[in-house]
Amino acid sequence: AQSVTQLDSQVPVFEEAPVELRCNYSSSVSVYLFWYVQYPNQGLQLLLKYLSGSTLVESINGFEAEFNKSQTSFHLRKPSVHISDTAEYFCAVLSGGSYIPTFGRGTSLIVHP
Amino acid sequence: DADVTQTPRNRITKTGKRIMLECSQTKGHDRMYWYRQDPGLGLRLIYYSFDVKDINKGEISDGYSVSRQAQAKFSLSLESAIPNQTALYFCATMREGGEQFFGPGTRLTVL
Repeated sequence: AQSVTQLDSQVPVFEEAPVELRCNYSSSVSVYLFWYVQYPNQGLQLLLKYLSGSTLVESINGFEAEFNKSQTSFHLRKPSVHISDTAEYFCAVLSGGSYIPTFGRGTSLIVHP
Repeated sequence: DADVTQTPRNRITKTGKRIMLECSQTKGHDRMYWYRQDPGLGLRLIYYSFDVKDINKGEISDGYSVSRQAQAKFSLSLESAIPNQTALYFCATMREGGEQFFGPGTRLTVL
């Protein structure tokens, strides 16, 4: 069965510092990869996705993620975080033509002033 | 713009009561999902539907049932609520390519 591991349940960081949220998955077949963000008291919304093509994908608010097939990873990075980036981040995987995504347990990013 | 809406947003009920959570979408997507979110456990799939006549159980369907009244409507019922069903519930749709669109959630408390 497919699995997604987000290694850190909580990542505290100071404003303007870089951050990396880690995501590893278990599938050996072709995958679609997603990062979703959940701000307090809201639903999840798509941050960025990898379907095919360039392994480096970017969001409009400065986040980026790189698909690494050999390491089965899709880590999320931002070079300089803002207070407003404080949220829960979920990694999700769709594999083998399935329409049932597998979600990681989430990483809480806490940005301190 | 609220493309996926959920009602109610908050609900407090007692053990043994029947509860219905409703979801509507204006995205025009055929695929719809119900999840529950618990702290530290992420999202767990309860039921999903790929069209009006297609309903499937997810990993934690026990104690829940669903109804797909139309392409745009997908309801979740708890026939006899119990305290460990206290959670945040999300409805979602999926477009071609796999991106999901989530509602704002329903916070359910079962006393």
